Amino acid sequence: QKEVEQDPGPLSVPEGAIVSLNCTYSNSAFQYFMWYRQYSRKGPELLMYTYSSGNKEDGRFTAQVDKSSKYISLFIRDSQPSDSATYLCAMSSTGGGNKLTFGTGTQLKVEL
Amino acid sequence: NAGVTQTPKFQVLKTGQSMTLQCAQDMNHNSMYWYRQDPGMGLRLIYYSASEGTTDKGEVPNGYNVSRLNKREFSLRLESAAPSQTSVYFCASSGMGSLAGARGEQFFGPGTRLTVL
Repeated sequence: QKEVEQDPGPLSVPEGAIVSLNCTYSNSAFQYFMWYRQYSRKGPELLMYTYSSGNKEDGRFTAQVDKSSKYISLFIRDSQPSDSATYLCAMSSTGGGNKLTFGTGTQLKVEL
Repeated sequence: NAGVTQTPKFQVLKTGQSMTLQCAQDMNHNSMYWYRQDPGMGLRLIYYSASEGTTDKGEVPNGYNVSRLNKREFSLRLESAAPSQTSVYFCASSGMGSLAGARGEQFFGPGTRLTVL
């Protein structure tokens, strides 16, 4: 069993929909949780970051962490065609330049 | 500020050939990483270098070697390429001394698409 599980999709939604992307994990030592966005044929770039449990909002994006359930989510409100990308969750037990464990990524397509 | 650069962008090799993938960063980061990305497998760590002069194996190191040439540069070498090494290779870096560094954010290069025939 992988340390981090993520549904690969693809997920197709109409423009304006609310999107929910999720990851589960097994390592209770994980404390730092990130969501990376990867456009086709590009490198991943950091989208959201959360430390420990709780919510974090940035514009149309909200990241949630539930450490008791070992479950993290990314919500995208009012989704746009420009949100079409692969979203990868990543996590680590310590910050500061240490190794990240990535999910396999969920491919999202937002259609007009 | 170029960030993380990788060369080449594309490469086709025959089985048994060797090659070196180059990576450089201009953000004064201490740590550098090499990943491979395959469909359905996500990003898998091949090797990493926590600081200049040190390298360690990641999840899938077999068939690869690395060199941390200096603080800026981290190369990945395939000594005898195999079809199973067909993949997209990403280099990344991270460092302390900033908010991004303290939370462990990694910055990625654009990738090298490698095909081994």
